[in-house]
Amino acid sequence: DTAVSQTPKYLVTQMGNDKSIKCEQNLGHDTMYWYKQDSKKFLKIMFSYNNKELIINETVPNRFSPKSPDKAHLNLHINSLELGDSAVYFCASSQGMTSGGEETQYFGPGTRLLVL
Amino acid sequence: AQSVSQHNHHVILSEAASLELGCNYSYGGTVNLFWYVQYPGQHLQLLLKYFSGDPLVKGIKGFEAEFIKSKFSFNLRKPSVQWSDTAEYFCAVNANNQGGKLIFGQGTELSVKP
Repeated sequence: DTAVSQTPKYLVTQMGNDKSIKCEQNLGHDTMYWYKQDSKKFLKIMFSYNNKELIINETVPNRFSPKSPDKAHLNLHINSLELGDSAVYFCASSQGMTSGGEETQYFGPGTRLLVL
Repeated sequence: AQSVSQHNHHVILSEAASLELGCNYSYGGTVNLFWYVQYPGQHLQLLLKYFSGDPLVKGIKGFEAEFIKSKFSFNLRKPSVQWSDTAEYFCAVNANNQGGKLIFGQGTELSVKP
């Protein structure tokens, strides 16, 4: 059983289009995250949700909008895609979000987005 | 702002060689430290983590890391690497007062020659 799953695995699209990436976790975790990995493999957090509530919102363009219909799902919608959005997007989840930050995050397989 | 620095961009070793990957962070408070591994085409997997207690932590697949607070370091070690250890290795830090926000280093690519 896949603990954290993402769809699609690959996404190729034209500039200006709108696309969504879906993430689901079956670990019963309360907190989910989106990370972006650029072409140099640098990973940076974008968002996190705890029990459907937005907790972390880094300096991400407002073309990116996360949506959490329930605590097992965190989707990422991207409007007006740009060339610079090409990257691998990883979803992750953790049991909770303690103030101490000890929770281990479990990552999904990633979605490779290519904007042409 | 917090940052994580991994000294080596690409390390090439022969099988059975010993490995040490450097990781330094900049944050003066209490931190939680992680090493993740990303095998080619796969997702990130946790190798080991340090929250408190014994600064020498052991992880999966024979890896270990030592937290040296005075040096702000959390270096990853393995006494004898295998070809299957070929992967990208990421050090990550979570400051104690910042919830789940993981700050990653830039990664070190390890290539092990058979």
